[in-house]
This record gives sequence, structure tokens and C-alpha cells, in this order.
Amino acid sequence: RKEVEQDPGPFNVPEGATVAFNCTYSNSASQSFFWYRQDCRKEPKLLMSVYSSGNEDGRFTAQLNRASQYISLLIRDSKLSDSATYLCVVKGNTPLVFGKGTRLSVIA
Amino acid sequence: GAGVSQSPSNKVTEKGKDVELRCDPISGHTALYWYRQSLGQGLEFLIYFQGNSAPDKSGLPSDRFSAERTGGSVSTLTIQRTQQEDSAVYLCASSRRRDTYGYTFGSGTRLTVV
Repeated sequence: RKEVEQDPGPFNVPEGATVAFNCTYSNSASQSFFWYRQDCRKEPKLLMSVYSSGNEDGRFTAQLNRASQYISLLIRDSKLSDSATYLCVVKGNTPLVFGKGTRLSVIA
Repeated sequence: GAGVSQSPSNKVTEKGKDVELRCDPISGHTALYWYRQSLGQGLEFLIYFQGNSAPDKSGLPSDRFSAERTGGSVSTLTIQRTQQEDSAVYLCASSRRRDTYGYTFGSGTRLTVV
């Protein structure tokens, strides 16, 4: 089983739609969780950390379920500029482990 | 510097040649990481430096790969006798030791072995 698994997509959604990405991780000792965003031919950039209590940053909401080893990202009111690959990232006692990413295309 | 700086941004080399990739981390960041990303693939961890500790080399794919970090700052990743399967984007990142905010990546070196 891969350490971090994501649906690769692509998710093609119209502007204004709400879209959710899911991710599962295999290492129950994982301590920190993040969502990164990667634009085409660019480096990954931190989008947001994920906390057990859930956290929100504008149109973005991240949730963590430690019991199920599951992380989610919800994007409300999608913008064209949200088109990117979203990487689920997990950290235990090792360097960050990245999922392969879920590709999102927001269509006008 | 303000961000993680990598050079060169692009490198085309012939199979069998050696290459050196350079990373200059954010000032004050004690941890430095190398990852690589092949086309359509996720990020693959290569090596990790933390302060003056021995590096974690567990991700290096073969003994053709090595890295060093001089003076706790700049790092060089060396690939000897390059092969076509080494073609990828090599990404360097840095963080504070107990950084809970993730890593900051450089823009990468795109290596093409022909």
C-alpha cells in the first residue's frame, strides 16, 4: 500500500462549483499534514496545514480524520485560478511524503 | 536569501556524463531536502540534511547519487554516469528544524539525459 494515496483526477468543474479531494495515508504515526498546490511546470507551494479540529482559509477547508487516516480538502466557489494539481502531504519521523496529486481544472 | 535558489534551472547532458546540481536554502533554515519528480509522477524523497547531523540518505536510488552540504548552507547533488532514467526535475527544499509549516521549495533543476 502506498504511503499517501490520492485520486489522480482530473476533476473538471465549472467556475463557482464546490469540489472535494480526498487522501488516505498508511502510517498511523504520522504527525503533520498539509495540502500543497503545484502549478504546471512549477514547484509545489504550501496551501495549508491540516489540523485535527479542521481548519478553514477563505474558500478552502481542510479536514483530518486520524481514526480513518483520511484527509480532505474542500474548495468552494471555484475560480479559474484554482486550476492546479493538489498534493496531499504527510509527515511522521521522516521527511515529508507526498501523494501523486489530484489534478483540478476549473472551466469557464 | 528570500527563497530557495537552485541552479542551473535546466541541464541537458549526455548519457554517461556527471552532473552537479546546486541548492542555496533560505537563510536560517537548518534542514535541507532533495526530492525528484519524474514526468507525471509524485515527488520522490532523495536525501535530507539536518544541521551537523549525518544526512538521511535512505532515498538515494543508487550509488551514482551523492550529496553534500558545506558549512550547513549550500548543498550540491551529484549524479555520476547519468542514465536516461535520471531525467527528472530535481527539487530542493528547506525548513526550520521543527517547522510545522512544511517546506519551501526552490524552482527546481530540470535534468534531461540524452
